[in-house]
Amino acid sequence: DTGVSQNPRHKITKRGQNVTFRCDPISEHNRLYWYRQTLGQGPEFLTYFQNEAQLEKSRLLSDRFSAERPKGSFSTLEIQRTEQGDSAMYLCASSPLQGWTEAFFGQGTRLTVV
Amino acid sequence: QKEVEQNSGPLSVPEGAIASLNCTYSDRGSQSFFWYRQYSGKSPELIMSIYSNGDKEDGRFTAQLNKASQYVSLLIRDSQPSDSATYLCAVSLIFGQGTTLQVKP
Repeated sequence: DTGVSQNPRHKITKRGQNVTFRCDPISEHNRLYWYRQTLGQGPEFLTYFQNEAQLEKSRLLSDRFSAERPKGSFSTLEIQRTEQGDSAMYLCASSPLQGWTEAFFGQGTRLTVV
Repeated sequence: QKEVEQNSGPLSVPEGAIASLNCTYSDRGSQSFFWYRQYSGKSPELIMSIYSNGDKEDGRFTAQLNKASQYVSLLIRDSQPSDSATYLCAVSLIFGQGTTLQVKP
């Protein structure tokens, strides 16, 4: 399978715990994006990488959120001290270096904070 | 704050009709415009991209861009029940909230 892969698909955690999600982009894609989506809303931009460099981060993203892409391949998104408001679908997408073209989304990780 | 606005709908059309979906955006300098389709419980999939003023056609889909009016639209001809989904407009990295389309047999 050469699509964008996200793990885990589902995560239930208790409030206050830390969680980490992983995204493996399409292998030849240099750009990787993280979004968050809640029911009835469009995807909300969180951050994006070009290779290993984090080029943009949403001002909406609190300092409890951090993302890395250490070798320019897979990426992780960590949420520290989770809150119930963090419950959402976390989507990863990737695209070629040329920009936000032909961007493909993974199947997402659904986070539930109880 | 860059914004992308869509009517959340639902937009209901009969099978075989033309569905017209609209989107406005706030950043006049935007260069890249996209339409995604999202079925319930699934992730978004890209259906059209458009970068210059005018129309772009792909099968039953036509995207229209008017940068002066900061307006993007998507027309779906010969709508089918399988087109029932949420259609997301994206301007560069920013998505609208989506318009739910219902195509009734």
